[in-house]
Amino acid sequence: ETGVTQTPRHLVMGMTNKKSLKCEQHLGHNAMYWYKQSAKKPLELMFVYNFKEQTENNSVPSRFSPECPNSSHLFLHLHTLQPEDSALYLCASSQDSQPPTDTQYFGPGTRLTVL
Amino acid sequence: LAKTTQPISMDSYEGQEVNITCSHNNIATNDYITWYQQFPSQGPRFIIQGYKTKVTNEVASLFIPADRKSSTLSLPRVSLSDTAVYYCLVGDRGRDDKIIFGKGTRLHILP
Repeated sequence: ETGVTQTPRHLVMGMTNKKSLKCEQHLGHNAMYWYKQSAKKPLELMFVYNFKEQTENNSVPSRFSPECPNSSHLFLHLHTLQPEDSALYLCASSQDSQPPTDTQYFGPGTRLTVL
Repeated sequence: LAKTTQPISMDSYEGQEVNITCSHNNIATNDYITWYQQFPSQGPRFIIQGYKTKVTNEVASLFIPADRKSSTLSLPRVSLSDTAVYYCLVGDRGRDDKIIFGKGTRLHILP
């Protein structure tokens, strides 16, 4: 247990569906992150939030829409995804948004399959 | 963020000490060195962080030579459960660097 939870753990969706991934951290951290990890590829940083404000968007397609209502919760809204979006989506948090010296705590991930 | 180079994969046997070296030739003065471990279908987990010389915790040791252009993660007496991917990250808290996890080193422990 890292103090970061993600739901659902597994998700299968069609290309026309709309779904959301949820992340919650119980560590009192100020920064939260979404990462994508495709099969046998390095982790790709998608979004960074610091004190609820988005501070980084790494050229992520608009079919991925993040939301951070408070410092403890982070959502990733998904719509009209493509099969190549199938991956493990990881949420992480850190005290501040200055990794790598700030240790990041990762959730277990959501395994997403787009049919 | 300083570029890092690690071996793509390594094999070892249970009970052995495993050393994984990371090269970071363009490390900056204020950069720290951080290692993470990732098991299949899980998020990475922080192992150890250091700036210079040697750092040890209950899981591993980190050796950093004086010139800091490389670092070595040492795992004592590995077991099958240490089979994972190990990532080396180098950076500075104060710089506006993107966070980059490279390909890491895939460590396979054999019985």
